[in-house]
Formats: sequence, structure tokens, C-alpha cells
Amino acid sequence: AQTVTQSQPEMSVQEAETVTLSCTYDTSESDYYLFWYKQPPSRQMILVIRQEAYKQQNATENRFSVNFQKAAKSFSLKISDSQLGDAAMYFCAYRSISNFGNEKLTFGTGTRLTIIP
Amino acid sequence: SAVISQKPSRDICQRGTSLTIQCQVDSQVTMMFWYRQQPGQSLTLIATANQGSEATYESGFVIDKFPISRPNLTFSTLTVSNMSPEDSSIYLCSVEDPRLAREQYFGPGTRLTVT
Repeated sequence: AQTVTQSQPEMSVQEAETVTLSCTYDTSESDYYLFWYKQPPSRQMILVIRQEAYKQQNATENRFSVNFQKAAKSFSLKISDSQLGDAAMYFCAYRSISNFGNEKLTFGTGTRLTIIP
Repeated sequence: SAVISQKPSRDICQRGTSLTIQCQVDSQVTMMFWYRQQPGQSLTLIATANQGSEATYESGFVIDKFPISRPNLTFSTLTVSNMSPEDSSIYLCSVEDPRLAREQYFGPGTRLTVT
């Protein structure tokens, strides 16, 4: 079974600065998907970014980028130019590439990000 | 991406009663999922609901406690039966869009408090 670990329960960053959230995972599969979700106080889960394991290039979405290290099973999220609206819980998630019963997301325990004005 | 709504958004229920949560999607989807998020915790999958077949439950979750219906490709319900305070959680439904690299999109969640 796959596991996802987020070792930083809380992080804080000054507005306009850059912050990196860590995520490691354990799997025996060679192909899979990784995701970062954001959950603000409204509790809506919002997909931030995804990475396909077979792609070597790190995914980027505007101010959000990932550092995907497949051999190290590491998937960190970098937020540049932090904004007050980035304050939220951030969850790392894993999905097997196979279907037929393997479609579920396995989530890490989350990192609470605080933005300091 | 799919737009998902849930009803109710929140409820306070007495122990021993049951609550049915509805999940509506604005497009037809094959895969629908129900997750539970206990206070201050991460999300745990309860079950996967496919149209036209029985839901598949994860370890630790049983159909008698969490019956699920999936009558068509845009709608599903989750019932929390014989509730106890330990069932106080946020319940979220999600759908997977196979056109978008297996991305899952979530509804706004239902906050359930059992007294």
C-alpha cells in the first residue's frame, strides 16, 4: 500500500516571499500521479498542481511549482510571491496510474500554511 | 473541470439518527468517491461509487453504516446511519475526470456534528 508523508504540520512565510512544502511517499509502482491540494477555511478542496511520474519535467502553474525527485520519492511544492490568499491547509496526494479499484487518492496529513502580512 | 454541489452544507444531528448527504455533478462522470475528514485530520476514502454497480468500501467502512446510492452518472448519496459523536466530520464527494490526467475534483463538503 502507498503512504504519503508530510513532515511539516505548520509553516509560515512572509507575504511576497517564497516557501517550500515537503512531501515524501512510498510506493512500489513505477508510474503514478501526484497532486497538491489546497484547503482554505471554507473547506473546499482545490487542486493546485499535478505531476505525472513518467514526466521528468517539473510541473508549474503560475506561482506554484514542484520539485519532483522520483528516485528519492520526494514531491515538494514551492509557492513564490506568497499572497494572503495562499493561507490554507495543503495536502499532498498520490494516485496509482492503474484503474480497476486503484483510483483512490491517498493523502498526507497536511501542512498548515500561514502568510504573515 | 466538473462543478460539484453537496447538500446539506452542514447539519447538527442527534445520536442514533441517520443523515443522507447528496452529491450532484454538472456533467456525467463514471467515478464518484466519498471521503471523510475528521476534525483536524486528513481525508480518508470511505467508498468508490460507480453507476450501475455496488459501491466498493475501504477497510474499516461498511455498507450498513455508510450505505451509498448511485442512480445515474451525475448523482450520488451517502447515508451516515445510527450516528454517534465519533461520526462528526466533514464528508466530501469527489469525481474523477478521465480527460484530465486522473484529476479529482471535490464538492464543498458537508460538515456533520453529532450531539
